[in-house]
Amino acid sequence: ETGVTQTPRHLVMGMTNKKSLKCEQHLGHNAMYWYKQSAKKPLELMFVYSLEERVENNSVPSRFSPECPNSSHLFLHLHTLQPEDSALYLCASSQDGTANTGELFFGEGSRLTVL
Amino acid sequence: DAKTTQPNSMESNEEEPVHLPCNHSTISGTDYIHWYRQLPSQGPEYVIHGLTSNVNNRMASLAIAEDRKSSTLILHRATLRDAAVYYCILRDGWGNAGNMLTFGGGTRLMVKP
Repeated sequence: ETGVTQTPRHLVMGMTNKKSLKCEQHLGHNAMYWYKQSAKKPLELMFVYSLEERVENNSVPSRFSPECPNSSHLFLHLHTLQPEDSALYLCASSQDGTANTGELFFGEGSRLTVL
Repeated sequence: DAKTTQPNSMESNEEEPVHLPCNHSTISGTDYIHWYRQLPSQGPEYVIHGLTSNVNNRMASLAIAEDRKSSTLILHRATLRDAAVYYCILRDGWGNAGNMLTFGGGTRLMVKP
């Protein structure tokens, strides 16, 4: 138990569906992240929120839309995805403002399959 | 962020020490060396980090070369539960907001009983 909870753990969706991934952290952190892990590829940073402001959008297609309503919650809204978007989506949190030496705490991930 | 180079895989016997190497020849003076590991079917977890001096914690030790161009993660007694992918990552200590870490391929450690 890392203090970062992701739901759902598994999601299967069609290319025309709209779904959302949810992440909640119980650690009092002020920064949250979405990473994507595809088969046989390194983790890719997608989005970073610090103090509820988006500070990084790593050239992610617009069919992925993040939302950070408060410092404890992070969503990834999915719309019109492609089969190649099938991957493990990992959420993480950290306490920002510590000269970037603070550790990231990851959730267990949401396994997404796009048919 | 500067790049790191790690072997793709390593094998170890249970209850023996394991030394996982990482090369980072282009490291800058403000880069911290972070290690994470990812157990099967889980998200990555923090192991240790350091800047110049060797570091020890309950999970592992980090030995940093004097010129900082390489480092070694040391697991003192490998157990079957240490089988994972180990990532060595450099992070600028004075970068932009957010602890953004760039993961490479890591080293897959296999532990034999």
